[in-house]
Amino acid sequence: NAGVTQTPKFRVLKTGQSMTLLCAQDMNHEYMYWYRQDPGMGLRLIHYSVGEGTTAKGEVPDGYNVSRLKKQNFLLGLESAAPSQTSVYFCASSYPGLNLIRNQPQHFGDGTRLSIL
Amino acid sequence: AQSVTQLGSHVSVSEGALVLLRCNYSSSVPPYLFWYVQYPNQGLQLLLKYTTGATLVKGINGFEAEFKKSETSFHLTKPSAHMSDAAEYFCAVSDELTGGGNKLTFGTGTQLKVEL
Repeated sequence: NAGVTQTPKFRVLKTGQSMTLLCAQDMNHEYMYWYRQDPGMGLRLIHYSVGEGTTAKGEVPDGYNVSRLKKQNFLLGLESAAPSQTSVYFCASSYPGLNLIRNQPQHFGDGTRLSIL
Repeated sequence: AQSVTQLGSHVSVSEGALVLLRCNYSSSVPPYLFWYVQYPNQGLQLLLKYTTGATLVKGINGFEAEFKKSETSFHLTKPSAHMSDAAEYFCAVSDELTGGGNKLTFGTGTQLKVEL
């Protein structure tokens, strides 16, 4: 049971290059999320999706774009990478739940470690 | 906006000793709280969650947390630390997002070191 799978696991980019991070989940979850993790700052929400074909901005969306063409996949794109985007990126997914959204845990992938020189 | 504060970015205990990791929350509504653990080079794994009802929540690997409304706290404990508990621990509070989904607001994490 794979859960949430992120590719690639590591990547080094030069400033100005573009790339796409892929997240795939096999749990049939409606909701998917992209976070970034920086030292001493915990995880911060970049973008999220509440279903196939929908996306929305989180708290730190600038410099990133996302797409959710299929329910199981959530892509995070960097159009022109900047050193400030050096971080560890985590994808997560969750199930809506029968009654209450707020008590649903999120399931995380193992992360993509991205360095931008 | 809801938030959590984790006191102590690094905690060191001896193997077999009590583990206590502190988390305080700020919320204008009844909070929904989570503890996650992150092992090196891995993603976050759910340890336990508090929704409503019982104030003592039991999680995996022998961890538990007590919700204290009067102290706005949700501290994580384990009676006897094992070497395998060495990891980073995150407290988080859940907020509903516009249009669906829930946003987790994380604390800055506590790195637990277990010594022989």
